[in-house]
Amino acid sequence: EDKVVQSPLSLVVHEGDTVTLNCSYEVTNFRSLLWYKQEKKAPTFLFMLTSSGIEKKSGRLSSILDKKELFSILNITATQTGDSAIYLCAVCPAGTALIFGKGTTLSVSS
Amino acid sequence: ETGVTQTPRHLVMGMTNKKSLKCEQHLGHNAMYWYKQSAKKPLELMFVYSLEERVENNSVPSRFSPECPNSSHLFLHLHTLQPEDSALYLCASSQDFGVNSPLHFGNGTRLTVT
Repeated sequence: EDKVVQSPLSLVVHEGDTVTLNCSYEVTNFRSLLWYKQEKKAPTFLFMLTSSGIEKKSGRLSSILDKKELFSILNITATQTGDSAIYLCAVCPAGTALIFGKGTTLSVSS
Repeated sequence: ETGVTQTPRHLVMGMTNKKSLKCEQHLGHNAMYWYKQSAKKPLELMFVYSLEERVENNSVPSRFSPECPNSSHLFLHLHTLQPEDSALYLCASSQDFGVNSPLHFGNGTRLTVT
């Protein structure tokens, strides 16, 4: 059965800290892994990863995929209160819709 | 503005009511989705439409009935729901189905069944 497991499920940090969120997966016919940020309602797209070892970066956020070990990490440096959100990891198998993990709830305190 | 608009934002309904959720996408995408988000659970795929045809139905109870009149609009018709159906219902669209194409989500409808 295809599955996506995220850890930790929740995390509380102070502003300025660096955090690493984890996502491991087991899917047949893997095509890509995606990260989303969900603050209030609509999850917003962050990254799509298809190749191992190539870091994707956007400001203080970065992500990398390891297709051999079947996991991805999302790093956030110098966290701010605006980074508080649920971070969702999803995997896209061939020919079907995204499979999501439960998400990691990140709380950044000032 | 996310490009995907859902109405209503909030809905409270009794178990005997009939209501509909509406989704509209302004992105020119070919695929549209309904997801259910409950607390402490992964997003659950309910239905997928590609080019107005249903391509996936994940064993969703018949009290949920989707309708896709055209590639820009998607409805979810609700009738005789149960309290456990209370959740956030998210609509999404993507350029195409089954390929590497990120989903774009609407803000969701928060449904409470009393």
